[in-house]
Order: sequence, then structure tokens, then C-alpha cells
Amino acid sequence: SQQGEEDPQALSIQEGENATMNCSYKTSINNLQWYRQNSGRGLVHLILIRSNEREKHSGRLRVTLDTSKKSSSLLITASRAADTASYFCATGIQGAQKLVFGQGTRLTINP
Amino acid sequence: KAGVTQTPRYLIKTRGQQVTLSCSPISGHRSVSWYQQTPGQGLQFLFEYFSETQRNKGNFPGRFSGRQFSNSRSEMNVSTLELGDSALYLCASSPRGQGATEAFFGQGTRLTVV
Repeated sequence: SQQGEEDPQALSIQEGENATMNCSYKTSINNLQWYRQNSGRGLVHLILIRSNEREKHSGRLRVTLDTSKKSSSLLITASRAADTASYFCATGIQGAQKLVFGQGTRLTINP
Repeated sequence: KAGVTQTPRYLIKTRGQQVTLSCSPISGHRSVSWYQQTPGQGLQFLFEYFSETQRNKGNFPGRFSGRQFSNSRSEMNVSTLELGDSALYLCASSPRGQGATEAFFGQGTRLTVV
């Protein structure tokens, strides 16, 4: 079963706008990771935030983590057509040796 | 460094047959995991191997099995295929355990069972 939920399930915005995706999870985690997937291909790792971190940046990406609410958000600023993809959050659980994925958000950037 | 390589990329099999999928991890990575992705169930963990030992297994029937070789390459096998086994099978590698660090995914094997 999935660890958590992602919201929204689908998001369509204009190029240049910001996109925000949210992820909630259920259990204690070691870290939370975000991945991108283009058209049913492999997943590409975007960013990892550890449970003792609250915010992390990587280029146009900003991730926040609130362990008290068991939630995370991914912000993509100044979106581009190439950002069109599905985005998944995944929780790393200490000792479990696996990632537990959310259902994903399908992001469409309209030119 | 070469990325994670999965072969074959596409497979069509008939119900009742068996199939073997292969994964070559990034050089130096000792942890290899397998995931099944379907539209209905999303991404689900199958199993993880580290230094030829299975350390964790997901909630899949015994028809799904895997192994890892001394060079860290991994195979997964599905016996007595069912229509519901049609999915994208993804392999991921990492230097250590896959709860601790980022994972690097292959392009996947698209399995269609007819």
C-alpha cells in the first residue's frame, strides 16, 4: 500500500508560473525524496530532504518538510515546458531498505 | 559512470509463461531494488538485495522472485504469468540501503501479458 497521498493528482499551468505539489505520509521517516518521471520511463531523482531538515533548495526546486504534520511540498519556480512530467514523493524509512511512493502528481506546463 | 541498465526494454508474454528481467546497477552500488508500476496500484516495492542477500520483500506472491550476483547485477523472475502482471518493472540501485540515500532508476522493462 502507498505511504501517503499527493495533492493535486493533476496540475496544469502556464509556462513561467510556479507549480506546487504536496505530499503527506503516515509513518516516521528517515528522509523524503522527490522524483520525476517522463511518460512511463524511469524515475529521476530530484531532491532529498532529511527528517531533521525543514527546507532545501536545488536550482528552481524548493522542498519543505513538516514532520509534525507528516507533510512535504515541492515548489517548481518559473516552470518550463520541459517540466511536464509526473512527480512522485517517496519516503525513506530507516532500516526498511526501500522507498515508499505516493501516487504522484501529473504536471502539465502549457506553452 | 554508466547508469542503471535494464534489459529487455519491452516484453510480450502469454499467460502461464515465466519471464526473467535483468538489471545492471551503477558500478560500485551494492543495493538493488525492484518496483512494479501499474496505473491502478502505482509504484510498489517488490524486493531489495544487498551483497547477494535479500534484505526486504514487498507484499507480492511467491511467483515473484529475484536474486543478485556477486557483481551486483540482479534478476527478477515472474512465474506463471497473469494478466495483472502487466506493468512497468523498474530497477533502482544505490550505494547503500534505499531508505537512506537517493536511488538511481533504470528505464524499466515494460511487460505485457496477453
